[in-house]
Amino acid sequence: DAGVIQSPRHEVTEMGQEVTLRCKPISGHDYLFWYRQTMMRGLELLIYFNNNVPIDDSGMPEDRFSAKMPNASFSTLKIQPSEPRDSAVYFCASTKSSGRLNEQFFGPGTRLTVL
Amino acid sequence: KQEVTQIPAALSVPEGENLVLNCSFTDSAIYNLQWFRQDPGKGLTSLLLIQSSQREQTSGRLNASLDKSSGRSTLYIAASQPGDSATYLCAVHPAAGNKLTFGGGTRVLVKP
Repeated sequence: DAGVIQSPRHEVTEMGQEVTLRCKPISGHDYLFWYRQTMMRGLELLIYFNNNVPIDDSGMPEDRFSAKMPNASFSTLKIQPSEPRDSAVYFCASTKSSGRLNEQFFGPGTRLTVL
Repeated sequence: KQEVTQIPAALSVPEGENLVLNCSFTDSAIYNLQWFRQDPGKGLTSLLLIQSSQREQTSGRLNASLDKSSGRSTLYIAASQPGDSATYLCAVHPAAGNKLTFGGGTRVLVKP
């Protein structure tokens, strides 16, 4: 299995631009999570989906952030417009509800820099 | 609200010494606790997952213990090697819901 796949691995953009991060979960997993990691705040859950449906988006910082999961093998996290304080590493993770006690598997992350 | 703390934030040991990493959490109503390793610039790799009903879980040189009532977990790494240098994070899965709460991590350096 290829594991959780994220793209791009690195993104540098200017303030005000739209940013789209992509994630492909492990095949067969029915939960998908988006996290953000910063030095100041550590790892924070932004939103998670179950069977492509958003379950909890209470961690999404502002309306500038949105996430979709159009099918079981693809999800996007969009920031529009982006701001310098959005600079962070964004991780996607997936798990299978019938699997070993909801063990989460993480992708390699997307390092976002907003200038 | 669950809070997860890892102390110390950083640790440096000579090669061969055993590592002891601590994780504490405030709400004992947990489903499981997961230990991760993160290398610089990389994602998180799951090391061990310990159920709330378990006292410990072992994988090779790694052993994780869990004392749910006191809100503590400890990750032991025996006979440390330079390749064990990384940041280790613990994460608590609540009894209800699916939101992991992470500790701040312990950055480990194993000196040859």
